[in-house]
Amino acid sequence: GDSVTQMEGPVTLSEEAFLTINCTYTATGYPSLFWYVQYPGEGLQLLLKATKADDKGSNKGFEATYRKETTSFHLEKGSVQVSDSAVYFCAGGTSYGKLTFGQGTILTVHP
Amino acid sequence: DGGITQSPKYLFRKEGQNVTLSCEQNLNHDAMYWYRQDPGQGLRLIYYSQIVNDFQKGDIAEGYSVSREKKESFPLTVTSAQKNPTAFYLCATRGAATNEKLFFGSGTQLSVL
Repeated sequence: GDSVTQMEGPVTLSEEAFLTINCTYTATGYPSLFWYVQYPGEGLQLLLKATKADDKGSNKGFEATYRKETTSFHLEKGSVQVSDSAVYFCAGGTSYGKLTFGQGTILTVHP
Repeated sequence: DGGITQSPKYLFRKEGQNVTLSCEQNLNHDAMYWYRQDPGQGLRLIYYSQIVNDFQKGDIAEGYSVSREKKESFPLTVTSAQKNPTAFYLCATRGAATNEKLFFGSGTQLSVL
């Protein structure tokens, strides 16, 4: 079956540091890939997505590129802020809408 | 105000008791999903429904039941057969034209007394 492997955390950074959270996937066919963010006590919000190889998703300074050759979708941000502290989930899915999620990475950003 | 409403936000279950979590949506989405989230783990799919009066088991359906009598509603019952029900439960929807993007509710935290 499909699987998503996500870099384990927690990740702790200082404000304005560079962020990378690794994500690799295994799937039959060509899934769409997503990054979701979850703030404490809330549901998940879509951060960005990519639907085919070499697509780059971007939002709020975050970026991720769909790399078919390495089956990866790593999340990056050049300069993190305290307000970016949250749990980040990588996910992949087919056209039936079922998404497979990674285990989540807790990010804490200190001033 | 459009969106997904999950209730209650907190729920406590006594041993041997069935409890029902509510999920209502006014997004006119066909597909609805229930996920379970445990601390330090990802989301695991319990049940999903792609159309009214039809639903499918996900990866961890044992001890749970659902119904989909209306497009707007997809309640989840946690039965007494679920021996480890303490978790954060998330309902999600997906519309036909959104290219697999899921919209999530704000979740229900279920705890055992």
